[in-house]
Amino acid sequence: DTGVSQDPRHKITKRGQNVTFRCDPISEHNRLYWYRQTLGQGPEFLTYFQNEAQLEKSRLLSDRFSAERPKGSFSTLEIQRTEQGDSAMYLCASSLAWGPETQYFGPGTRLLVL
Amino acid sequence: DQQVKQNSPSLSVQEGRISILNCDYTNSMFDYFLWYKKYPAEGPTFLISISSIKDKNEDGRFTVFLNKSAKHLSLHIVPSQPGDSAVYFCAASGNMLTFGGGTRLMVKP
Repeated sequence: DTGVSQDPRHKITKRGQNVTFRCDPISEHNRLYWYRQTLGQGPEFLTYFQNEAQLEKSRLLSDRFSAERPKGSFSTLEIQRTEQGDSAMYLCASSLAWGPETQYFGPGTRLLVL
Repeated sequence: DQQVKQNSPSLSVQEGRISILNCDYTNSMFDYFLWYKKYPAEGPTFLISISSIKDKNEDGRFTVFLNKSAKHLSLHIVPSQPGDSAVYFCAASGNMLTFGGGTRLMVKP
């Protein structure tokens, strides 16, 4: 399978707990993106990496959120002290770095904060 | 402010007919546009894209038209099939993608 994979696919947690999601991009892609999608809305950009460097962060990415891509391959997105408003689908995408490249999405991680 | 808008939340079409999904944008710096299809509980699947140097791109049953002066793009699906029933998102590319709110397409047999 050469697509983008995400783990877990579903996560239920209690308010105040920390959660971590993982994304494995398409192997030759050096850009990796995180998006969040809530019901009835389009995906909203959170952050992106080129190789291991985090190049841009949205204002949606509060200080409770942190993303890493330590070796320029897989990435993790951690949410600390989760709140009910964090409930959403978290999507990862990857692309090649040069030019207006198409982003390919993983299946997403659906988070429910109780 | 919404830089990319899909003003029709839903569209119902008879099988075999044409489906036309519309999208408007406000930022003239956008130079690459994409359409994605999304089924429930899955990630968006890339359908077709168009660069701002073109006004049309075709791939099988799918054609995307871009009108730069009107800042408008549309996706035509012909003939529509029941399997096309999904939510369709347009997106504009800068460093990241800016998505519209989506249009739910229902193709009736």
